[in-house]
Amino acid sequence: AQSVTQPDIHITVSEGASLELRCNYSYGATPYLFWYVQSPGQGLQLLLKYFSGDTLVQGIKGFEAEFKRSQSSFNLRKPSVHWSDAAEYFCAVAIGSGNTGKLIFGQGTTLQVKP
Amino acid sequence: DVKVTQSSRYLVKRTGEKVFLECVQDMDHENMFWYRQDPGLGLRLIYFSYDVKMKEKGDIPEGYSVSREKKERFSLILESASTNQTSMYLCASSIEHGYTFGSGTRLTVV
Repeated sequence: AQSVTQPDIHITVSEGASLELRCNYSYGATPYLFWYVQSPGQGLQLLLKYFSGDTLVQGIKGFEAEFKRSQSSFNLRKPSVHWSDAAEYFCAVAIGSGNTGKLIFGQGTTLQVKP
Repeated sequence: DVKVTQSSRYLVKRTGEKVFLECVQDMDHENMFWYRQDPGLGLRLIYFSYDVKMKEKGDIPEGYSVSREKKERFSLILESASTNQTSMYLCASSIEHGYTFGSGTRLTVV
């Protein structure tokens, strides 16, 4: 069955430190992959997405993610975390075709930023 | 920009009540979805619809039904609300893997 796993439920990093959030997926076909962020009390915001092409994708707010087919992973990175990055992060995979696709989400990773 | 509007931001209902959560999108998207979000579980798909009057079960459809009489509107129905349906509910619409989410409805069943 298709699934998305975010192994880390909660991560704490110091402001200015680098960040990597892990995401593994299980899907037989070519995946369409997404990272979303949700700040407290806010809706979901798309950080970046991978459909095809260059496996390193750039997103908003200085985030990037790398698709590794051999590892079924799509990890999110940021070189220097800001206090405003504290939020919950969700990895998702779209299954099915574009006209009939649906998003399957991971469990989410809560990021806490220490001053 | 596509907008997905959920009619209520917060809702409090009693156990056993029939509850309607409404979602409207303004960009002629074929596909619409209902998710519920719970801490530690992420977003789980309840129902989705690829066209008017069409619906398909997601991963957790039990206790829910949906209605899509018009392309722009997708309603989630809790036939008899229970306390374990207290949650955040998110509606989304999509076209060609471009997904737009509403702000969510936080439902509390007492």
